[in-house]
Formats: sequence, C-alpha cells, structure tokens
Amino acid sequence: GAGVSQTPSNKVTEKGKYVELRCDPISGHTALYWYRQSLGQGPEFLIYFQGTGAADDSGLPNDRFFAVRPEGSVSTLKIQRTERGDSAVYLCASSLNAGGGYEQYFGPGTRLTVT
Amino acid sequence: DQQVKQNSPSLSVQEGRISILNCDYTNSMFDYFLWYKKYPAEGPTFLISISSIKDKNEDGRFTVFLNKSAKHLSLHIVPSQPGDSAVYFCAASDPQKRDDKIIFGKGTRLHILP
Repeated sequence: GAGVSQTPSNKVTEKGKYVELRCDPISGHTALYWYRQSLGQGPEFLIYFQGTGAADDSGLPNDRFFAVRPEGSVSTLKIQRTERGDSAVYLCASSLNAGGGYEQYFGPGTRLTVT
Repeated sequence: DQQVKQNSPSLSVQEGRISILNCDYTNSMFDYFLWYKKYPAEGPTFLISISSIKDKNEDGRFTVFLNKSAKHLSLHIVPSQPGDSAVYFCAASDPQKRDDKIIFGKGTRLHILP
C-alpha cells in the first residue's frame, strides 16, 4: 500500500521567499505530525494534527511557520520570509490515531535549502 | 536541552558480531521508548519499542534493554548484517501529553564492516 508521500523532495529557495511543503498521509490515518531534522541532529517536533485541527503547535519555531490540514488528510507546511537557518529536512509522519501508542510512519522528507 | 542523548555519533562493528547502541534520557516521566532506523534519503522507520513497565523487549535479531534507575536504554543487534548499516535514533514519547509526540536523540551511525 501507499506510504506517506511528501512533495517536493527537494526545494531550493532564496532568502526571504515563501515556500509550501506538502504531505500526503496514509489513507485513514487521523493523526499527522511534522518534524524538522537539521544537519547532525535528530528530528524535532514542530506540530501535530488530529483530524483537521492543530492539536499541538508548540514546536513551531516562530510565527513565520504555519501548517494547515483543511480536510483532515493532506497537510501543507508554510514558511514565510525564509531564512538560511530554515534549511533542513522537513519530515511528515502519520499514524492511525494519536494517544494510543500507534506507530508513526514517516515520509521521505523534503530537503529545503535557503540560499 | 537534549532530553534524549546518544553520545556516540558513530559505531563500527564487524559483520556477524553484536552491535550495541546506547541512549540516555533525562526525564524520569518518559514512559515509552522507541528505536528508529534511517537510511539516506528515506524517512525514519520504526524498529522496536519498550514500555517503562518492562526491562527488555526482543524482536528477532533486535533487543532493547531499559534500565529505569540509570535512565538508560540500549539496542542490541545480533548478529549484525550489512543491511543494518544506517543511522539509529533513540526516542521517547512526550510524557505531558498523550499524543505520541516523539522526542528524538541525535542518532548513531552504525557501520557494519565486511
């Protein structure tokens, strides 16, 4: 079956530009998570959705970052006025539900490079 | 401040021998621990987990040991195979919220030598 997919796989943008990163979770998974992995670090939590609502956005680094999941399936992570420090691999994961110890399935990530 | 620590950035092990990857954590409220494996250009994949009520969980060649008093866990792979070469992340579930938010360590790169 289809796993979690993320597009684009690579994105190069100039400092100050706006970018959108897309995540398609596994069909039927109600929980969706965004993580960011910087060079030499482990993935760091950004935000998670249960259904359409952002249940916890405590990991978003500042108000330039925003994410939506309007229909409870596909999610888009939006970054305004990108900075070089935003360069990282952005990982999306989905699970059947949240809070029940369900396994999180990760996508391959989007590598964002801000020049 | 790192709540999950993997102090060895890399580890090399001969094929067929045992690989031992170590992990320490600081938050005594963590109650669920996981190991993820990651190949280049792929997302992390779940390997094995352990609940804080246990001290050992085994799945084939992989065994995870938990020492709660020392706030330490380890992953044993035996025998090590070439396909085990990857980055291994130790992780814990956030104790504050029952949302399965995962807190990862920095990872250990395992090289299996022929």
